[in-house]
Amino acid sequence: GEDVEQSLFLSVREGDSSVINCTYTDSSSTYLYWYKQEPGAGLQLLTYIFSNMDMKQDQRLTVLLNKKDKHLSLRIADTQTGDSAIYFCAETLGGSYIPTFGRGTSLIVHP
Amino acid sequence: DTAVSQTPKYLVTQMGNDKSIKCEQNLGHDTMYWYKQDSKKFLKIMFSYNNKELIINETVPNRFSPKSPDKAHLNLHINSLELGDSAVYFCASSLGQTSYEQYFGPGTRLTVT
Repeated sequence: GEDVEQSLFLSVREGDSSVINCTYTDSSSTYLYWYKQEPGAGLQLLTYIFSNMDMKQDQRLTVLLNKKDKHLSLRIADTQTGDSAIYFCAETLGGSYIPTFGRGTSLIVHP
Repeated sequence: DTAVSQTPKYLVTQMGNDKSIKCEQNLGHDTMYWYKQDSKKFLKIMFSYNNKELIINETVPNRFSPKSPDKAHLNLHINSLELGDSAVYFCASSLGQTSYEQYFGPGTRLTVT
């Protein structure tokens, strides 16, 4: 199976909260990341969390990490149409700084 | 003020041809990378260079040869292109080898016919 798994699509209404989920397999993850890819653009680091943290909040973004279940989530409050993009979950393991990416979740925000 | 740029953005070519993709970063970073994103959106590291020296070379066919003339540039040359090389290729850079944040270029969509 894949090392990092995400559902492929999420559709939400503008103004609602979006929750994008990710599971990973390796318990030796050091950092976990969320990248955003807008159409025609490269990936942009949105936020990251160190593996000894449970939660990180940054304005409209909340990252939750459940190490026991190897589950990472990204919550976007008050989702806007500009949030429509592909969101990639990624992890780095042990001494490596090269991320292993999931396949990305396409977030579609409709009015 | 583009941070990481790639040329061309789109590349359509026939099997057997040789092609190059160029990447430049103006961030003053020491480390640069090439990633391949296949049709299923899997994004995999191919190469990493630090100060013009190769530090990571994943299992990539010898037909792929990266070249770093200086630390701001990392080009990717592909010989004898095959159908399976069709993908989006992303260049990225980071401050150093141990930096957690990578800055990505916009990608080059390569289509081999």
